Amino acid sequence: AQSVAQPEDQVNVAEGNPLTVKCTYSVSGNPYLFWYVQYPNRGLQFLLKYITGDNLVKGSYGFEAEFNKSQTSFHLKKPSALVSDSALYFCAVRDLEGYQKVTFGTGTKLQVIP
Amino acid sequence: GAGVSQSPSNKVTEKGKDVELRCDPISGHTALYWYRQSLGQGLEFLIYFQGNSAPDKSGLPSDRFSAERTGGSVSTLTIQRTQQEDSAVYLCASSPPTGRYEQYFGPGTRLTVT
Repeated sequence: AQSVAQPEDQVNVAEGNPLTVKCTYSVSGNPYLFWYVQYPNRGLQFLLKYITGDNLVKGSYGFEAEFNKSQTSFHLKKPSALVSDSALYFCAVRDLEGYQKVTFGTGTKLQVIP
Repeated sequence: GAGVSQSPSNKVTEKGKDVELRCDPISGHTALYWYRQSLGQGLEFLIYFQGNSAPDKSGLPSDRFSAERTGGSVSTLTIQRTQQEDSAVYLCASSPPTGRYEQYFGPGTRLTVT
């Protein structure tokens, strides 16, 4: 069975500082990995994905994520946080080997402090 | 283009009543997912449809929950004999057929069972 862990319920960071939101995964084959963001009272929006290729993936709003196969991690990063980045972030995984169900983590609330 | 739409946006019902929630996916998307998001919780997978294949119902929490997808497009999630623990936001998402695996989410239906 596939699974995703987001070990931090909340991450606080000062505006202008770099941010990292952690995600680790477990799948039987090669993974497809995703990050989604949910702003207050809004639906989930796709941020970025890793399918294959370069381990560093760039996405929307200046976010990027690094795929690390040996550590089974896919941490979300941004060099300089904005107050408007405050939201709930979800990591998700899908097994590449034909099993198409997507499993989401429990979410990490990012609070950017002015 | 038009995104995923869901109706109603809000539904208040009495315990024991049946409810139907509707999802209109993006045109041409073959995969459709239903999730449940309870307050302060992550996304709980409910059911997955892919084209004409048999749906993956492994996430449905009880036999009171059922879903169908007519003509490979619109989907309806039905909850019979609603209970207070069914109160949550029900999210629908769709994905394109091949090559791109990210999900596009609707705004959700907030269900309150009194």
